[in-house]
Amino acid sequence: KNEVEQSPQNLTAQEGEFITINCSYSVGISALHWLQQHPGGGIVSLFMLSSGKKKHGRLIATINIQEKHSSLHITASHPRDSAVYICAPRRGGADGLTFGKGTHLIIQP
Amino acid sequence: DAGITQSPRYKITETGRQVTLMCHQTWSHSYMFWYRQDLGHGLRLIYYSAAADITDKGEVPDGYVVSRSKTENFPLTLESATRSQTSVYFCASNLRGSYNEQFFGPGTRLTVL
Repeated sequence: KNEVEQSPQNLTAQEGEFITINCSYSVGISALHWLQQHPGGGIVSLFMLSSGKKKHGRLIATINIQEKHSSLHITASHPRDSAVYICAPRRGGADGLTFGKGTHLIIQP
Repeated sequence: DAGITQSPRYKITETGRQVTLMCHQTWSHSYMFWYRQDLGHGLRLIYYSAAADITDKGEVPDGYVVSRSKTENFPLTLESATRSQTSVYFCASNLRGSYNEQFFGPGTRLTVL
């Protein structure tokens, strides 16, 4: 069983819709990252969370450490938000990230 | 240039050849990482390093060797490349500690024929 489960795997929505991507993990962590990857592109860190909620522009990320669950929300979605979003928990120390399989998001005009 | 760079960006090699992928960061970050990204598997950790001369295996280290003689460089060597090592390789770094944002290099697309 994968340590990190993301849902949905694929999501197509219309411009302006509110988007939610969920991430559940099974191990204890120190922090959780949300990453964005455009087709053929590099990986960009959107958020690093250890508790609560963070907001950056139209993006909001939340985490519940006790329930081992995090969500990424996109408000007023736009076609430029089309990308793969990856949940990446981190156990601690110098350990690297573990990764969900990603959510492939397409926002249609 | 400031940031984290990888070279080469694209590489085609043959089975059995040795290949070295370079990673360089200008932030003096203590922690550095190598990941590979494959369809169906997503991203996986190959090796990581907490500081110069300190390295450790990640999830998929077989067939790879790393070194870190200087803080800013973290080369990844495939000693005898195999077709299964065809992948996109990402280097990453962050400040010491697990509560810091991790920054990724642009990636190296490696094809082993």
